[in-house]
Amino acid sequence: GAVVSQHPSRVICKSGTSVKIECRSLDFQATTMFWYRQFPKKSLMLMATSNEGSKATYEQGVEKDKFLINHASLTLSTLTVTSAHPEDSSFYICSAAGAAGVADTQYFGPGTRLTVL
Amino acid sequence: KQEVTQIPAALSVPEGENLVLNCSFTDSAIYNLQWFRQDPGKGLTSLLLIQSSQREQTSGRLNASLDKSSGRSTLYIAASQPGDSATYLCAVIDSSASKIIFGSGTRLSIRP
Repeated sequence: GAVVSQHPSRVICKSGTSVKIECRSLDFQATTMFWYRQFPKKSLMLMATSNEGSKATYEQGVEKDKFLINHASLTLSTLTVTSAHPEDSSFYICSAAGAAGVADTQYFGPGTRLTVL
Repeated sequence: KQEVTQIPAALSVPEGENLVLNCSFTDSAIYNLQWFRQDPGKGLTSLLLIQSSQREQTSGRLNASLDKSSGRSTLYIAASQPGDSATYLCAVIDSSASKIIFGSGTRLSIRP
């Protein structure tokens, strides 16, 4: 399957700072990318769906001004957590898929552990 | 609203045993159902995908079944090995293929 990387794998930041997480599809044209959030021992919650060159579609309850998503190319999507607070601490996972979105096979990244002090 | 439940939340069995993980969903109108494996602090690896028209899928020692009418799926692992230790997640895609909902997972531990 396709290889998806995330950078950084782990980040610790102070409250109030912004953090950018990159998701790269190394060998696959990712028309659609998904961003998930996972709390300890909990399931993945879809935050937003992004299509290359378009604005992201956010799930209900996810603040679009808080979690900025950019999908400027078929191989790169970024999630920026703006003015991070301790409650934003979580495990963030991205996935890449084709034009059919969730109906396509999703290739998941290894995740980014964000800790906000 | 679709809800996906996995029971038990955690399971520990000795090596060599066959085991079954359960997944239930509240809305039978699904596009497909997938089983994933997640190792600690890692992303997800797709194991099996069952289309809504299918009853089961097999890959090696893994067999997944789907009963839409009862809203259930099972993941059968034969001859378990310590390397099978991980969290297993099931996820359903709704019938309009627009949304994916994950269960909370079963943490499996295989004792040598």
